[in-house]
Amino acid sequence: GQQLNQSPQSMFIQEGEDVSMNCTSSSIFNTWLWYKQDPGEGPVLLIALYKAGELTSNGRLTAQFGITRKDSFLNISASIPSDVGIYFCAGGSNYKLTFGKGTLLTVNP
Amino acid sequence: DSGVTQTPKHLITATGQRVTLRCSPRSGDLSVYWYQQSLDQGLQFLIQYYNGEERAKGNILERFSAQQFPDLHSELNLSSLELGDSALYFCASSRGLAGAGGGELFFGEGSRLTVL
Repeated sequence: GQQLNQSPQSMFIQEGEDVSMNCTSSSIFNTWLWYKQDPGEGPVLLIALYKAGELTSNGRLTAQFGITRKDSFLNISASIPSDVGIYFCAGGSNYKLTFGKGTLLTVNP
Repeated sequence: DSGVTQTPKHLITATGQRVTLRCSPRSGDLSVYWYQQSLDQGLQFLIQYYNGEERAKGNILERFSAQQFPDLHSELNLSSLELGDSALYFCASSRGLAGAGGGELFFGEGSRLTVL
């Protein structure tokens, strides 16, 4: 089946730093979604991408749909303590969503 | 608030027992998905329903079953519970089918199941 490689697995950064994480696959996807999960809560949709090459921002977050349709990245600029959480990517194709294993982000004030 | 409602939020039960988790999707959403998340694990897809019909199955155990009712709410039944079934169970809904345009998933806050 389709698999996503999400990296890094975890990140420890200082408040104010920029963050970058990505998802790659050997499969082609038609949709890329990025979610954030706070401890003990459900994942919340951050950004949805539907077109190869698309670059979309949501506040300090920017995500891109890779031109090959096999990857996507998420950048967070000027991190703040409330950015802490697990970030998941999800690739969609053939009416199925495949989730990455997540990137655990810790922000030191 | 995603608009997806899950009950109960917390559930503690014993091995061998059976529980039912309930999910109400967002208004207008036809698809319901169930995911399991164990400690420090990612989201494991269990099963998907679309407009009352089973659409896709993931790593769902035979002891688990689900259904989607005519009013589109869904229930996940977990039976003969084992210690390893302790996890967060999430329901998610989408307007259409995930992986297609407009198929963004919106998650509920989850039901935390503890099996003692």
